[in-house]
Amino acid sequence: KQEVTQIPAALSVPEGENLVLNCSFTDSAIYNLQWFRQDPGKGLTSLLLIQSSQREQTSGRLNASLDKSSGRSTLYIAASQPGDSATYLCAVPGGNEKLTFGTGTRLTIIP
Amino acid sequence: DTAVSQTPKYLVTQMGNDKSIKCEQNLGHDTMYWYKQDSKKFLKIMFSYNNKELIINETVPNRFSPKSPDKAHLNLHINSLELGDSAVYFCASSAQGAGSSPLHFGNGTRLTVT
Repeated sequence: KQEVTQIPAALSVPEGENLVLNCSFTDSAIYNLQWFRQDPGKGLTSLLLIQSSQREQTSGRLNASLDKSSGRSTLYIAASQPGDSATYLCAVPGGNEKLTFGTGTRLTIIP
Repeated sequence: DTAVSQTPKYLVTQMGNDKSIKCEQNLGHDTMYWYKQDSKKFLKIMFSYNNKELIINETVPNRFSPKSPDKAHLNLHINSLELGDSAVYFCASSAQGAGSSPLHFGNGTRLTVT
């Protein structure tokens, strides 16, 4: 059974700093990994989908990396802004393409 | 133009009642889902439909019944509501399966059972 863990559960950093969010999964037989953000009272917004054949995927100030063999992914946010404050979740597909979500990292950017 | 819209946003009801949550997507996607987010913010899939056909049915009580009249709509009907059903329910859609393409989520329906 796939288990997805995100550590830390919460993170606060001053505005302008670069930061890394971590995601680990127990079953490395995945064919992609998705990163989402969730704002309070809102649904999830897809940020990046990284295929298993890729090592990195970039969108603006966001860069996601994937290391299947070690069961890890990171989301790098450059030059953080207060608008980046949200909960970030990673998710991997399993059997029947069911997504298993991590528990999320609540990020707060301090102005 | 809201891509995935669900109504209502808030639903407060008493135990034993029957209620429905509606979901519509205008993205032309073939696959739609219902997810439940519990009080600890953990997201878990409940159902998945592909082109009106049930693909995934997790171990959800049969008091929950999804209905897909067409591929743009996936409604969730809940009978005999219980306290433990209180949660935020999210509808989502994707062009292909969740393993192949990004999911697009609605803003959620916060269900409170008293």
